[in-house]
Amino acid sequence: QSALSQPASVSGSLGQSITVSCTGTMSDVGSYNSVSWYQQHPGKAPKLVISEVSDRPSGVPDRFSGSRSDNTASLTISGLQAEDEADYYCTSYATSGTWVFGGGTKVTVL
Amino acid sequence: EVQLLESGGGLVQPGGSLRLSCAASGFTFSYDAMTWVRQAPGKGLEWVSTILGGGTEIYPESVRGRFTISRDNSRATVHLHMNNLRTEDTALYYCVRIDKWPNRFDAWGQGTLVTVSS
Repeated sequence: QSALSQPASVSGSLGQSITVSCTGTMSDVGSYNSVSWYQQHPGKAPKLVISEVSDRPSGVPDRFSGSRSDNTASLTISGLQAEDEADYYCTSYATSGTWVFGGGTKVTVL
Repeated sequence: EVQLLESGGGLVQPGGSLRLSCAASGFTFSYDAMTWVRQAPGKGLEWVSTILGGGTEIYPESVRGRFTISRDNSRATVHLHMNNLRTEDTALYYCVRIDKWPNRFDAWGQGTLVTVSS
């Protein structure tokens, strides 16, 4: 199972909106609602920010949102804050009964 | 509050073995699937293994035949037995709970570091 494809880095100014893409195939992202996104600050464990494509867990700010079009999922951060600077990973369940992660995207707040 | 506490990491030579443990609390352990995810130094996340509440095990090709995941529901503990370790297995290993199967990895431990080196 190949890794999902994410851009290595995305940047935006404070208050701006950014979008991180996550491209897979019909065997993973395109087939299941089990697409989720994780935020990881340096030296910390990952934290779930979006599950089931677009569901935001309790406690996650509403500036985080998720969507999907065909085989590509997207994470959007609206009104970028300094504390949003982190690495972001997508993952999806796959038809093989396994999970696959994206390579990660470093989000920089300018 | 869900808590996951990993232990058992350390330095091991190539070809050696190691057993990681994860003590869980704050939820009904036997109901939930548990997973190990690893992160090599400076690299991304990689799914390593999953065990369902009933004991079914799932592995990626990269570790199948070398790693074995197990659980003790009476002690709310999950283990990862790693054999024939390779230098590329060097990573921080996270214990993770799967909520709303198979949708989300909703709780993560702080990780235990495994270093495979001669």
